[in-house]
Amino acid sequence: DAMVIQNPRYQVTQFGKPVTLSCSQTLNHNVMYWYQQKSSQAPKLLFHYYDKDFNNEADTPDNFQSRRPNTSFCFLDIRSPGLGDAAMYLCATSRDRRDASSYNEQFFGPGTRLTVL
Amino acid sequence: QKEVEQNSGPLSVPEGAIASLNCTYSDRGSQSFFWYRQYSGKSPELIMSIYSNGDKEDGRFTAQLNKASQYVSLLIRDSQPSDSATYLCAGWERDSSYKLIFGSGTRLLVRP
Repeated sequence: DAMVIQNPRYQVTQFGKPVTLSCSQTLNHNVMYWYQQKSSQAPKLLFHYYDKDFNNEADTPDNFQSRRPNTSFCFLDIRSPGLGDAAMYLCATSRDRRDASSYNEQFFGPGTRLTVL
Repeated sequence: QKEVEQNSGPLSVPEGAIASLNCTYSDRGSQSFFWYRQYSGKSPELIMSIYSNGDKEDGRFTAQLNKASQYVSLLIRDSQPSDSATYLCAGWERDSSYKLIFGSGTRLLVRP
């Protein structure tokens, strides 16, 4: 089945120790997104890639970086995690950013729960 | 700032009843909307998408879109305890960024 996969599902890191979260997709979608979600809040978009074109949200801290080495994979790097970065990190994909129709559905991976000690 | 608004709930309904979840949006240019179900500690799961005015039915779920009133709703018929979750409404933002704008979600509780 076509899907979005995230690894690891749970990540524990220490304050200030860099961490990398990964996402892969078999949907062959053009767009990949990274969201941060904290308890009882809506997902907050950090950035997205349209093919290799990187789009950062204005309020995403510099502490968060991303890489997309090919169509299938995308990585989220947190350079110096703080206690406030503890959250669920969600990867999502959609077929084409420019196609704002009902068929341009966005699908989420299972998420990575990040704990910062 | 484009917004999607939902009542946070919880909305509590008895098993077998119809649950009605509502959402309003501010961007008149938005054309397509989505409902996601999110269980506690899990990621959002797409359950309905709607593009045209009117109703769209899929099993026990019906999505309704009224573009004139900028209103989207989700009806869940014959509600089951397994439907207890947070339901997120989302719509595409129609500017150059084309990002999905999420509401904060409505928590649904189905009582056995």
